Amino acid sequence: GAVVSQHPSRVICKSGTSVKIECRSLDFQATTMFWYRQFPKQSLMLMATSNEGSKATYEQGVEKDKFLINHASLTLSTLTVTSAHPEDSSFYICSASRTAAYEQYFGPGTRLTVT
Amino acid sequence: KNEVEQSPQNLTAQEGEFITINCSYSVGISALHWLQQHPGGGIVSLFMLSSGKKKHGRLIATINIQEKHSSLHITASHPRDSAVYICAVRRFGNEKLTFGTGTRLTIIP
Repeated sequence: GAVVSQHPSRVICKSGTSVKIECRSLDFQATTMFWYRQFPKQSLMLMATSNEGSKATYEQGVEKDKFLINHASLTLSTLTVTSAHPEDSSFYICSASRTAAYEQYFGPGTRLTVT
Repeated sequence: KNEVEQSPQNLTAQEGEFITINCSYSVGISALHWLQQHPGGGIVSLFMLSSGKKKHGRLIATINIQEKHSSLHITASHPRDSAVYICAVRRFGNEKLTFGTGTRLTIIP
């Protein structure tokens, strides 16, 4: 149990385009989902926390207009990188939990390359 | 000083060796996680601890709340255990995780 999937696993896009990444909890309802990014050889950096049905809470320094997060259902959250630039190239990972106090279950990640 | 410190940063061992990875933290926590990240990038949650000890297969995790310290042990290590192991803590009243910088483990056949 507690499986989280992400789609796509890899995506290459051109500068200026937008990319949507999906995060799904497959066998449980996730009231809270977290979005992280990870640069090579660095630890995970929290970008935002999303609760189902409400606006995401972004970490300091993360542009909410650039990284659009939608958590429309208890099993799906999406991260849209708008007007992507090469510096947005990174590994994006989501996690989901049943409630904020519960264990976080991580997705397999999405590797974004912006050319 | 980071709130979560891991040691060692890198560890290379022979297959079959007993492995210990340490995590120290400086804040009050409600839970501590041990995560495994393989070269492909995906993260697997190994353990979530708030006290005592947990065991799953060849993996054992312990935590000492008073000393603010946790250890992850791997018995009879195998090359497939090669990965980055990450310690993460959740503070009281805070849903966010604070991550250590990870320990890169390489098991040589």
